[in-house]
Amino acid sequence: QVQLQESGPGLVKPSQTLSLTCTVSGGSISSGSYYWSWIRQPAGKGLEWIGRIYTSGSTNYNPSLKSRVTISVDTSKNQFSLKLSSVTAADTAVYYCARERLNSRHPDYWGQGTLVTVSS
Amino acid sequence: DIVMTQTPLSLSVTPGQPASISCKSSQSLLHSDGKTYLYWYLQKPGQSPQLLIYEVSNRFSGVPDRFSGSGSGTDFTLKISRVEAEDVGVYYCMQSIQLLYTFGQGTKLEIK
Repeated sequence: QVQLQESGPGLVKPSQTLSLTCTVSGGSISSGSYYWSWIRQPAGKGLEWIGRIYTSGSTNYNPSLKSRVTISVDTSKNQFSLKLSSVTAADTAVYYCARERLNSRHPDYWGQGTLVTVSS
Repeated sequence: DIVMTQTPLSLSVTPGQPASISCKSSQSLLHSDGKTYLYWYLQKPGQSPQLLIYEVSNRFSGVPDRFSGSGSGTDFTLKISRVEAEDVGVYYCMQSIQLLYTFGQGTKLEIK
C-alpha cells in the first residue's frame, strides 16, 4: 500500500521560503496514474487545497496562493516538493501531501502531516 | 470559489445510535459528465484525513457499511447507522467539480 511522508523544517522565518518534501513509498511516483497534491490545515481550522502536480510536471494551484507556490517532482527520488515564498504567520499550518488517482478528482491517501510554524 | 457549509458543527452521540451530517454547496456539484463531485473525509484525533465516501455515495475500500452517503445537486448527507467509539473525529465534505477543491468547516463527532 502506498505511503507518503512529509519532511522539512518545522520553523520558518517571516518573508522566507517554506520548503517541504513528500517521499512516496509502495509505488512509483512516475507511474502516470496519479496527481500528487499538497493540502494544509491551520491549527484548529479547516482544510485548504494548495495544489497538485502530475508526473509530466503539469501543475494546478489554488489561485489565492498561486503567486507564491511552486510544486515540483523528482522522479529519481520518488519525491515531490512544495515551496511557498514570502511566508507570514498566516501560513503556519500542518501541511499534508496526498495522492490523487487520475480522473478521480479527490485525494485518496494522505501523509501524516508536518507542522510548519512561521515565526521570527 | 464554491463554499461548502456543514451542519451541525458538532454533535454528541450515544454509541449504537445513528448520526447525520449535512453538507450544502453554493453551486451544483453535478458535472456534465454525469458524476457528482462530492466526498466525505474523517480526521480522527491526531491523524490525517481519511477518505470515507467518494462521488456522494460510494464507500472507499475498507470503510464499514454503517457509513452511507446520499444527496444530489447542492444538498448532501453523511449518515452513520450505529455510531461506534472509533468514529470520533472531525468529518469534512469536499467538492471537486471546480479544480479549486474546497472543504466544509468540519463537524466534530463526540461520544456521549
